[in-house]
Amino acid sequence: DTAVSQTPKYLVTQMGNDKSIKCEQNLGHDTMYWYKQDSKKFLKIMFSYNNKELIINETVPNRFSPKSPDKAHLNLHINSLELGDSAVYFCASSQALGAQPQHFGDGTRLSIL
Amino acid sequence: EDQVTQSPEALRLQEGESSSLNCSYTVSGLRGLFWYRQDPGKGPEFLFTLYSAGEEKEKERLKATLTKKESFLHITAPKPEDSATYLCAVQAANDYKLSFGAGTTVTVRA
Repeated sequence: DTAVSQTPKYLVTQMGNDKSIKCEQNLGHDTMYWYKQDSKKFLKIMFSYNNKELIINETVPNRFSPKSPDKAHLNLHINSLELGDSAVYFCASSQALGAQPQHFGDGTRLSIL
Repeated sequence: EDQVTQSPEALRLQEGESSSLNCSYTVSGLRGLFWYRQDPGKGPEFLFTLYSAGEEKEKERLKATLTKKESFLHITAPKPEDSATYLCAVQAANDYKLSFGAGTTVTVRA
């Protein structure tokens, strides 16, 4: 029974398109996150929601828009995709804010042609 | 800004050959230091949280320690299944985000 699940696992699309990545957690956690892992394997936080409220919004182009319909879901919509958006995007969740372990999904590999 | 530096970048070990990974950090007040393991094509898997200098935690062949400037992940008598990338991350006292290091890729040969 997958704790944090992301769909799709792979996404191949052309420059300029709009795409969405979905994330769901069944752990009953209050806090969810989006991370980007680039080709050098660096994981960088993009956004965090706590009880559906945006808590962390790092320096991310406004083409990226997170949406949290409820505590168990956090989706990521990306407009006007660019070559530099190619990366692996990870969703994670934690029980609450603070020094809580974060549980990650298996990632969505986004490739821009 | 928080900084996390991991060394070495890569580590090749023979099965049974113990070694240590280093995570040096700079943060204005530490809320927590985290160790994760990441296998190819998978998301990071949580291993340990350390909160204060002097703290140690163990899990099977792994032991994590913390000082005021760095953390070590000791791998004792590793097996091939310990092959993975090990990631270190810090959370500052005045923030909620995790700042990750670039990781150490460990390969254990049978």
